[in-house]
Amino acid sequence: KQEVTQIPAALSVPEGENLVLNCSFTDSAIYNLQWFRQDPGKGLTSLLLIQSSQREQTSGRLNASLDKSSGRSTLYIAASQPGDSATYLCAVPRLTFGEGTQLTVNP
Amino acid sequence: DVKVTQSSRYLVKRTGEKVFLECVQDMDHENMFWYRQDPGLGLRLIYFSYDVKMKEKGDIPEGYSVSREKKERFSLILESASTNQTSMYLCASSPSRLSPAGDNTEAFFGQGTRLTVV
Repeated sequence: KQEVTQIPAALSVPEGENLVLNCSFTDSAIYNLQWFRQDPGKGLTSLLLIQSSQREQTSGRLNASLDKSSGRSTLYIAASQPGDSATYLCAVPRLTFGEGTQLTVNP
Repeated sequence: DVKVTQSSRYLVKRTGEKVFLECVQDMDHENMFWYRQDPGLGLRLIYFSYDVKMKEKGDIPEGYSVSREKKERFSLILESASTNQTSMYLCASSPSRLSPAGDNTEAFFGQGTRLTVV
């Protein structure tokens, strides 16, 4: 059974810092990986989807990479802002989730 | 703009009631999912549907059933609500890998339904 792990569970950083969130999965036979953001009490918002044929995807200040062979993905957030404070989750097919990283960006 | 809509944002029901949570998507997606989310337990899959009238049990199907009579609608049914079913319920949809989307099976979520059973 696929297992997804996210490290760290929580992260608190000052505004402006660049940061990396980690996601690992046990079964490398995936065809994509998706990163989501969740604000308290809300649904999940899709941030990036990386297909297995891609090594990375970028959207604004976000960059996600995928290394299937090592079972890892990273989400890089550049120049973090207080509005980035949320829980970040990764998911592999069929929408199997990690427990998330709770990010707090302090002004 | 893609849209997954859950019928209620907040719901309060009594123990023993039959409860229907509705989810509608307008993206012609084949796959639909129901999750519950509880503090410290993450997102747990209740049921998954890959086509009309087709369903698969997820990790925690006990006490729940589902209905998918039309492609755009996926209903979660609590046959006899209990207090331990108080939770945030989240619906999602995605294209099938067999569709023209191929590996681009980006999933989208509804806004969630906060259900309280008293």
